[in-house]
Amino acid sequence: GAVVSQHPSRVICKSGTSVKIECRSLDFQATTMFWYRQFPKQSLMLMATSNEGSKATYEQGVEKDKFLINHASLTLSTLTVTSAHPEDSSFYICSARPPASTDTQYFGPGTRLTVL
Amino acid sequence: TQLLEQSPQFLSIQEGENLTVYCNSSSVFSSLQWYRQEPGEGPVLLVTVVTGGEVKKLKRLTFQFGDARKDSSLHITAAQPGDTGLYLCAGGMGNTPLVFGKGTRLSVIA
Repeated sequence: GAVVSQHPSRVICKSGTSVKIECRSLDFQATTMFWYRQFPKQSLMLMATSNEGSKATYEQGVEKDKFLINHASLTLSTLTVTSAHPEDSSFYICSARPPASTDTQYFGPGTRLTVL
Repeated sequence: TQLLEQSPQFLSIQEGENLTVYCNSSSVFSSLQWYRQEPGEGPVLLVTVVTGGEVKKLKRLTFQFGDARKDSSLHITAAQPGDTGLYLCAGGMGNTPLVFGKGTRLSVIA
């Protein structure tokens, strides 16, 4: 099956610093990747759609200058949380869509961000 | 805005019991996916159904897509403690992000 990796799996940082999270599709090329945020005991909340070679599409209420997304290749998308604050602490999950599939998404294992 | 209503939100049952989780919408989807997520991990795809009326089986799990492609169900037979987790349904409408239900948190007690 399709494999998506995320790095790092856990990160703790001080308030005001920036954190970069990588999402890689390991065995397929993904023109589209997605970034989600998940609060405890809740479902996934879509933050943005990442398109290879073009600007990301952000969902309403998500600050594009705070959550920078770069999809520089067909296998890598990055999410940078800039000037992180404690309220940014969350579980961030990416997913990737294989080119032959218009609907199915495969998810990474997630990144637990804790901002002190 | 497309909405997927998933029920029940929480379910706690004894090992060996059967259960059904439902996802309903007023929108028509081109496909419906079911995922299972364990704490601290990403969702894992269980199945994709694309045809109205389609039924797929995965060991003790049976997935059904409604005839009108607006609803889906997941039935688990003889639940085991290893089935414990968050079950998510997600509707697809082509080249747009999946629409997720709020999830069903299942706890199977030995």
